[in-house]
Amino acid sequence: DQQVKQNSPSLSVQEGRISILNCDYTNSMFDYFLWYKKYPAEGPTFLISISSIKDKNEDGRFTVFLNKSAKHLSLHIVPSQPGDSAVYFCAASAYYSGGGADGLTFGKGTHLIIQP
Amino acid sequence: KAGVTQTPRYLIKTRGQQVTLSCSPISGHRSVSWYQQTPGQGLQFLFEYFSETQRNKGNFPGRFSGRQFSNSRSEMNVSTLELGDSALYLCASSRDLGTAYNEQFFGPGTRLTVL
Repeated sequence: DQQVKQNSPSLSVQEGRISILNCDYTNSMFDYFLWYKKYPAEGPTFLISISSIKDKNEDGRFTVFLNKSAKHLSLHIVPSQPGDSAVYFCAASAYYSGGGADGLTFGKGTHLIIQP
Repeated sequence: KAGVTQTPRYLIKTRGQQVTLSCSPISGHRSVSWYQQTPGQGLQFLFEYFSETQRNKGNFPGRFSGRQFSNSRSEMNVSTLELGDSALYLCASSRDLGTAYNEQFFGPGTRLTVL
């Protein structure tokens, strides 16, 4: 059973417009969420994260929104640039009160294509 | 600062063989995690090592094992290879234990093909 779901395998957006990537999760124990970006032949690169105590986190052109009641998060990229074309993975983790956390649980990724 | 390095980058093995993959974390990082990426299952957590001890384990059979050395370098071993073990194996390092609140830096991966 997939605990982190990215329902759009691919997304095409025009350069300069907003890209919105969505992610849903089912495990209510998750309390830390991350987005990774992956180019072919490279490992994933950390993009932005959000703790469950927040509902929004911004870093430059990237903003992540968390809706805990809906168990939904989204990544907004504004404005979209050609270099943003990549596969984006949503990931989640549950933090133990005694320290440490489970390994990251990843969605299957969304391939974002920025059209010139 | 050098990133996470993984060797070898590509590997071809036959069913029944065993394989060892290597990961060198970023200098100063003490935690190493391993992930398997396949087209069908996506990225799945294998295990995490910290201070030479396995701290967390994903849902994989005992054929998958690992270890960490005193310099934080880690190896992953898969015994009695099956066709379904063909995948990209990714290593990630972080400064401290646990994947929450600790940014993980990924290596480029080792592409394993089992024939």
